[in-house]
Amino acid sequence: DIQMTQSPSFLSASVGDRVTINCKASQNINKYLDWYQQKHGEAPKLLIYNTNNLQTGIPSRFSGSGSGTDYTLTISSLQPEDVATYFCLQHSSRYTFGAGTKLELK
Amino acid sequence: QVQLKESGPGLVQPSQTLSLTCTVSGFSLTSYNVHWVRQPPGKGLEWMGRMRYNGDTSYNSALKSRLSISRDTSKNQVFLKMNSLQTDDTGTYYCTRVNWSFDYWGQGVMVTVSS
Repeated sequence: DIQMTQSPSFLSASVGDRVTINCKASQNINKYLDWYQQKHGEAPKLLIYNTNNLQTGIPSRFSGSGSGTDYTLTISSLQPEDVATYFCLQHSSRYTFGAGTKLELK
Repeated sequence: QVQLKESGPGLVQPSQTLSLTCTVSGFSLTSYNVHWVRQPPGKGLEWMGRMRYNGDTSYNSALKSRLSISRDTSKNQVFLKMNSLQTDDTGTYYCTRVNWSFDYWGQGVMVTVSS
């Protein structure tokens, strides 16, 4: 099974900061990597699919990049409503989530 | 619009069987895959299994021996059954539709395994 290592597990940043979250797969996942945002008490929400495709309705400050085993979610200018936990998901072979990154405001 | 809603018992005794229903609207189960994902309290997400549009199923290898997913297309429902429940099966269970990725999710149903 493919393992996903997500980092950092916790992140504190200020409004307006550029934020990056990383996921590393245990093998090449051919860009089959999604990013989800989960706010407290809510279901996850799809932000980015297949590495760099912005889901409809998601603000353009969210972007994704990567290839092979290494992938990144970037928030270009952090907003208060971005406080949440972020998960990556590989769907190259079955499905594996990263452990999550909890993002808080400094 | 697309909606998914999970339902089932909030409390299950250890060693018993969990039965959950995902009722969908706004799309057809014969056109989209529906997956089950769970989340222990305060922890991450775990993919459990899926019902494909054509009726095929696939399961997480760690749960395969205990898990069964089925459907009733006439009722727009997907079912999850998992036996031999233990306390570490406690968590929120979600059903989610796949269109490239998990684009719509249910609100989730909290299941507690306790005597």
